[in-house]
Amino acid sequence: DTGVSQNPRHKITKRGQNVTFRCDPISEHNRLYWYRQTLGQGPEFLTYFQNEAQLEKSRLLSDRFSAERPKGSFSTLEIQRTEQGDSAMYLCASSQRAGEYTEAFFGQGTRLTVV
Amino acid sequence: GNSVTQMEGPVTLSEEAFLTINCTYTATGYPSLFWYVQYPGEGLQLLLKATKADDKGSNKGFEATYRKETTSFHLEKGSVQVSDSAVYFCALSGAGGGNKLTFGTGTQLKVEL
Repeated sequence: DTGVSQNPRHKITKRGQNVTFRCDPISEHNRLYWYRQTLGQGPEFLTYFQNEAQLEKSRLLSDRFSAERPKGSFSTLEIQRTEQGDSAMYLCASSQRAGEYTEAFFGQGTRLTVV
Repeated sequence: GNSVTQMEGPVTLSEEAFLTINCTYTATGYPSLFWYVQYPGEGLQLLLKATKADDKGSNKGFEATYRKETTSFHLEKGSVQVSDSAVYFCALSGAGGGNKLTFGTGTQLKVEL
């Protein structure tokens, strides 16, 4: 399977703990996106990388959230001091910059539950 | 900012019925428009897209036409199947929003025999 891979698929954590998620994009893709999806809502943009550079961050991304893509390949999203409101599905997508538009391919997501 | 509004679900249809899921958008400039589908237990998949006014996107029997005058991108299918049961998301990108996608809230479709 050469699609976008996210790990773990599920994470349950206690409030106040830190969590880290990983995304492995499609290998030749240079763009990587993180989205958050809560129940009954569409995905909301969090941040985006082109290669290793983080080019845009949403105002939704509080200072407890940090994302990295150190070598322009996989990416990690860390949430510090988790809160119950952080419970959501965290989605990663990747695409290859080429021309006006290229399709973004999504992973299956990491479901975070903060108890 | 950019936004997408789509009809609420769930939408329940009998097999072979006609499907319409309404989607309207607000954006400055000329966004690209998409429909994504999420089957149970799977990730989001691009269903179809249109990148300029009057373009028609089509795939797997689904169609949607980019209507600039009504800022709409309604999804249609002439005859739905049980296997079409999924959540459908309308989305846009560009129009000052950069490369990111702005999604609607999703519409769940249930097709029954």
